Amino acid sequence: AQSVTQPDIHITVSEGASLELRCNYSYGATPYLFWYVQSPGQGLQLLLKYFSGDTLVQGIKGFEAEFKRSQSSFNLRKPSVHWSDAAEYFCAVNSGGGADGLTFGKGTHLIIQP
Amino acid sequence: NAGVTQTPKFQVLKTGQSMTLQCAQDMNHNSMYWYRQDPGMGLRLIYYSASEGTTDKGEVPNGYNVSRLNKREFSLRLESAAPSQTSVYFCASSEAPYLNTDTQYFGPGTRLTVL
Repeated sequence: AQSVTQPDIHITVSEGASLELRCNYSYGATPYLFWYVQSPGQGLQLLLKYFSGDTLVQGIKGFEAEFKRSQSSFNLRKPSVHWSDAAEYFCAVNSGGGADGLTFGKGTHLIIQP
Repeated sequence: NAGVTQTPKFQVLKTGQSMTLQCAQDMNHNSMYWYRQDPGMGLRLIYYSASEGTTDKGEVPNGYNVSRLNKREFSLRLESAAPSQTSVYFCASSEAPYLNTDTQYFGPGTRLTVL
């Protein structure tokens, strides 16, 4: 069965500093990977997705993620964070083959220090 | 184009009461989903509907029922609410669940407290 691990429950970053959120997946075939963001009191918004091709994908709000098959990772990055980036971030993998194919990690809570 | 909408936004119930959470999407998507979100647990799938007229259990279906009323609407019912059902509930929709490239779009959530 597929699984997603987000090793960091909480991360604190100073405003203006760079950010990297880790995501590791376990899935035998080609994974289809997503990052979602959940601002306080809001629903989940899609940041970016990887299906194939270039392993570095660009998303909204200045985020990017890099797919590394050898490390089974899909880490999310941003060069300079803003206070408005404080949120919960979820990585997810879709194995396809059915409507229940999307598996989420448990999330990383990002705190921005002024 | 509102995307996925959910009602109500907040609800407080007493143990044993029943209620229905409503979800609607205007993206002409085939599939709809109900998730619950609990601290430290991420999102867990309760039920889904791959297409109009079909529903299936997800990871945590006990205590819930669903109805796919039409292509737009998918409701979640708690027949006899329990404190363990205190959670935030999210509805989502997607176009083609049997494709690996399928992308789910989420509603704003319903925060439910059962006393």
